[in-house]
Amino acid sequence: DSGVTQTPKHLITATGQRVTLRCSPRSGDLSVYWYQQSLDQGLQFLIQYYNGEERAKGNILERFSAQQFPDLHSELNLSSLELGDSALYFCASSVDPGFIGYTFGSGTRLTVV
Amino acid sequence: DQQVKQNSPSLSVQEGRISILNCDYTNSMFDYFLWYKKYPAEGPTFLISISSIKDKNEDGRFTVFLNKSAKHLSLHIVPSQPGDSAVYFCAASWGGRGAGNMLTFGGGTRLMVKP
Repeated sequence: DSGVTQTPKHLITATGQRVTLRCSPRSGDLSVYWYQQSLDQGLQFLIQYYNGEERAKGNILERFSAQQFPDLHSELNLSSLELGDSALYFCASSVDPGFIGYTFGSGTRLTVV
Repeated sequence: DQQVKQNSPSLSVQEGRISILNCDYTNSMFDYFLWYKKYPAEGPTFLISISSIKDKNEDGRFTVFLNKSAKHLSLHIVPSQPGDSAVYFCAASWGGRGAGNMLTFGGGTRLMVKP
């Protein structure tokens, strides 16, 4: 157990639908990151939040949004889902400042049918 | 534009021998490099890192080498063990404005260590 909790582990939904992925960071970590991994590819950075505020943004689609709540958990919202959105979505957290690498959760596998 | 590349999708090594995983990058602004290991159905696990001010960092059986002029880093595992069989990702970051602690990942190399 890495200490980063992601729910749900698996999600199957239809095209056009909206889903919410949830992440609880490791205790003491203020930064939360979201990554997408499609089809055995590398991880693509989506977005970072630090203590409730957006800190860095990657190639995140406009249909996707995220937020970090006062208790530091984060949610990634994916809307108007397309088949190509099927992927593993990883959340990670880190100590900040003093960044030395992330701790990843085990991911949410999203399948859009 | 892939800024971090792992050109070998897979590598097979005999137990006890050395495993060498390679990674190339194109962005000269990167100043911190990491290796992650990933088992199936799990998230990536941090393995070892190196700052751009160093050319070598060692942690037990794992050593990372950085050649800045060639924009190349490698991970050496000696001796390799069957439990090392996993997908290895290299990643890079830079401390520029707006970058946060964003990591750019390579596509991964699947290492198979045969008993």
